[in-house]
Amino acid sequence: GDSVTQMEGPVTLSEEAFLTINCTYTATGYPSLFWYVQYPGEGLQLLLKATKADDKGSNKGFEATYRKETTSFHLEKGSVQVSDSAVYFCALSDRDSWGKLQFGAGTQVVVTP
Amino acid sequence: NAGVMQNPRHLVRRRGQEARLRCSPMKGHSHVYWYRQLPEEGLKFMVYLQKENIIDESGMPKERFSAEFPKEGPSILRIQQVVRGDSAAYFCASSPPEGRNGPNYGYTFGSGTRLTVV
Repeated sequence: GDSVTQMEGPVTLSEEAFLTINCTYTATGYPSLFWYVQYPGEGLQLLLKATKADDKGSNKGFEATYRKETTSFHLEKGSVQVSDSAVYFCALSDRDSWGKLQFGAGTQVVVTP
Repeated sequence: NAGVMQNPRHLVRRRGQEARLRCSPMKGHSHVYWYRQLPEEGLKFMVYLQKENIIDESGMPKERFSAEFPKEGPSILRIQQVVRGDSAAYFCASSPPEGRNGPNYGYTFGSGTRLTVV
């Protein structure tokens, strides 16, 4: 079945550092890919998405490119802020199970001043 | 324009009691999805409902768990005879009507209900 694997956390880095969170997936079809962010005590917010190969999703300085050849959707940000401290989830939605999201385990990011 | 409303935010139940979690979708949304987040884990899909109809319940435990989305009122996730292992955060998401359902089209999460079983 479908699955999502993302790097374990916590990832601790200083303000203005470069952030990368790796995400790879397994799917039988051509899924849509998502990054969600969860701030402490809150629900999930969609950060960005990509619906087909080579698409790049971007939002709030974050970017991720849908790489079909490596089945990856790595999240990057060039200069993080303390306010980016959160848990980040990679997820996919397979067209055959429309409506259902498959999540990775989440990566906690801690940004220090 | 309220988002997805879940209540209560926090719920404490003793072992053996029933837990009822409510989810009111965004205005204009008619599809509801429930997910469970166990401590230190990602979200796991439980069930997908339209009004008066369960579309996909492949993630629901076979016993003690049930979900409904009546014609009027919020969607309810019901857990009977709760056990310690049911302690988790339960999230609801909603999306627009048929033809635009799924995560690509306005799929929005609520803030969750944190269930603690003591």
